[in-house]
Amino acid sequence: AQTVTQSQPEMSVQEAETVTLSCTYDTSESDYYLFWYKQPPSRQMILVIRQEAYKQQNATENRFSVNFQKAAKSFSLKISDSQLGDAAMYFCAYRVKGGSEKLVFGKGTKLTVNP
Amino acid sequence: NAGVMQNPRHLVRRRGQEARLRCSPMKGHSHVYWYRQLPEEGLKFMVYLQKENIIDESGMPKERFSAEFPKEGPSILRIQQVVRGDSAAYFCASSPRQGLEAFFGQGTRLTVV
Repeated sequence: AQTVTQSQPEMSVQEAETVTLSCTYDTSESDYYLFWYKQPPSRQMILVIRQEAYKQQNATENRFSVNFQKAAKSFSLKISDSQLGDAAMYFCAYRVKGGSEKLVFGKGTKLTVNP
Repeated sequence: NAGVMQNPRHLVRRRGQEARLRCSPMKGHSHVYWYRQLPEEGLKFMVYLQKENIIDESGMPKERFSAEFPKEGPSILRIQQVVRGDSAAYFCASSPRQGLEAFFGQGTRLTVV
């Protein structure tokens, strides 16, 4: 079964600094997607960034970038120039291509941004 | 184009009552997913439906839980005879077809007292 592990229940960062959130996953599939979702106190699940497993280039979205290490099954999220609005729960998620394409989530990392 | 709409946002039920959670997908989306989020946990997949069909219900508890997505109207997640352990946030996500990104609603927080 596929599993996603986020080993950092909580992280904090100073405003304008950089923080990296860790995620590892376990799968026997070769073709899949990986995601980072942000969940602010409003509970809305917001897609931050997505990575396709067959693409070697790490995905980037503005201040958000990932370090995807397929052999190590590692998918970390780097947030640069952290802003107060980045404070939220961050969930790493996995989805295999084909089938029902359901998402498998980690338990999340609570990010605090200090002014 | 309105996003995925879930209602109610908050629902309180006494033990033994029924809970009905509604999800209206985005316009043009015929695929719906339901997820449950227990306190301090990530979201857990429950069921995947296309119009009038259940495609994957591998995450649904065997008893008391059911889901439907009729030809007309919203998708419904129904929980019969609720117990305290059903207290959670229930999220719906929709996509226009398989392989495309699913968009999430804001969830329904169910509290069983």
